[in-house]
Amino acid sequence: GAVVSQHPSWVICKSGTSVKIECRSLDFQATTMFWYRQFPKQSLMLMATSNEGSKATYEQGVEKDKFLINHASLTLSTLTVTSAHPEDSSFYICSARSGAYIQYFGAGTRLSVL
Amino acid sequence: AQSVAQPEDQVNVAEGNPLTVKCTYSVSGNPYLFWYVQYPNRGLQFLLKYITGDNLVKGSYGFEAEFNKSQTSFHLKKPSALVSDSALYFCAVRDPGSNYQLIWGAGTKLIIKP
Repeated sequence: GAVVSQHPSWVICKSGTSVKIECRSLDFQATTMFWYRQFPKQSLMLMATSNEGSKATYEQGVEKDKFLINHASLTLSTLTVTSAHPEDSSFYICSARSGAYIQYFGAGTRLSVL
Repeated sequence: AQSVAQPEDQVNVAEGNPLTVKCTYSVSGNPYLFWYVQYPNRGLQFLLKYITGDNLVKGSYGFEAEFNKSQTSFHLKKPSALVSDSALYFCAVRDPGSNYQLIWGAGTKLIIKP
């Protein structure tokens, strides 16, 4: 089956620093990748849709200057949380679209901002 | 408006008994429906999908789901529950007006007791 690798799985950083999260499709090419945020005991909140070679499309209320998304190749998308603050602490999950229907998910990244 | 409802926050089932996790949807046009499972501190794993064809679809780990167009439902089922099935289950429907985005239910926590 399709495999999506997300790295790191857990990161702790100081307030004001930036953190980069990588999402790679290992055995397929992903034209579209998605970035989600999940709060405890809640469903997934779509942050942005990332298409290879073009700018990401952000959902309403998501700050594009704070959450920088780059989809430079068909197998790699990155999310950079810039100038992170404690309220950015959350579980971030990426997914990659395989074919027309199915999204395959990374294992998630738990970000803790001190 | 497009939406997905999972009416139960939690479902408790004894090991060996059949389980059902409910999902109803509201979407224009033909629905593309999905079930995913999430284990603690992990990303989501794809279980099964309905696109077209037989109303009963079979997926991973012995799960199946029944598409019912008249009731706009897509309930997840398993004939005999295992303790290892305990997890968070999400129903989703493809948003027909988007770039392959999914509309997510709130999730149902499934607890299988020995």
